[in-house]
Amino acid sequence: EIVLTQSPGTLSLSPGKSATLSCRASQSVSSNSLAWYQQKPGQAPRLLIYGASSRATGIPDRFSGSGSGTDFTLTISRLEPEDFAVYYCQQYGSSIFTFGPGTKVDIK
Amino acid sequence: QVQLQQWGAGLLKPSETLSLHCVVYGGSFSGYYWSWIRQSPVKGLEWIGEINHSGSTNYNPSLKSRVTISVDTSRRHFSLRVSSVTAADTAVYYCARAPISSDYYMDVWGKGTTVTVSS
Repeated sequence: EIVLTQSPGTLSLSPGKSATLSCRASQSVSSNSLAWYQQKPGQAPRLLIYGASSRATGIPDRFSGSGSGTDFTLTISRLEPEDFAVYYCQQYGSSIFTFGPGTKVDIK
Repeated sequence: QVQLQQWGAGLLKPSETLSLHCVVYGGSFSGYYWSWIRQSPVKGLEWIGEINHSGSTNYNPSLKSRVTISVDTSRRHFSLRVSSVTAADTAVYYCARAPISSDYYMDVWGKGTTVTVSS
């Protein structure tokens, strides 16, 4: 099973700043199986990015994804108040989905 | 707009069987895999398994021996059963949709059902 590690665990930033979130896989992951989700308290995860770099429908262009192999990045430029949440990466391999432990982006 | 509405018993005793249901409103039912995912403070997000409209399933090996996912295409409904539950099965359970495509992701989620296992 591929294990995903996310860093940092918590990112404290001010609105208007940029956030860079990392997702590292224990072995190489196909880019088409890497996705990012946002989750707010009491809500289900919301798809942001799929295929490592494609934005889901309705996702603002301040969210961008990049990376390949074992290292992937979610970048949020110009943080808006509604962007403070927990972010998870997900991969699909060997017929199962696995998720990272999440990065919490909170207000500094 | 596609919506997933889920329901099921929220309080179980150890050794009982968890049973949850999810119905799909809007959109196509075929052309997707329909998944169950759970989330707990201890294990985070954990994918349980999936089923397509014709009944083909994939399960997480860690849960496979206790899990059954079934589908009723005519009612646009799929369900989850987990047998012999313990406190470790306490979690928020979500149903979700995964397009059958060259990319692997879940784009529509239910609101979640909190399941507590306690004697």
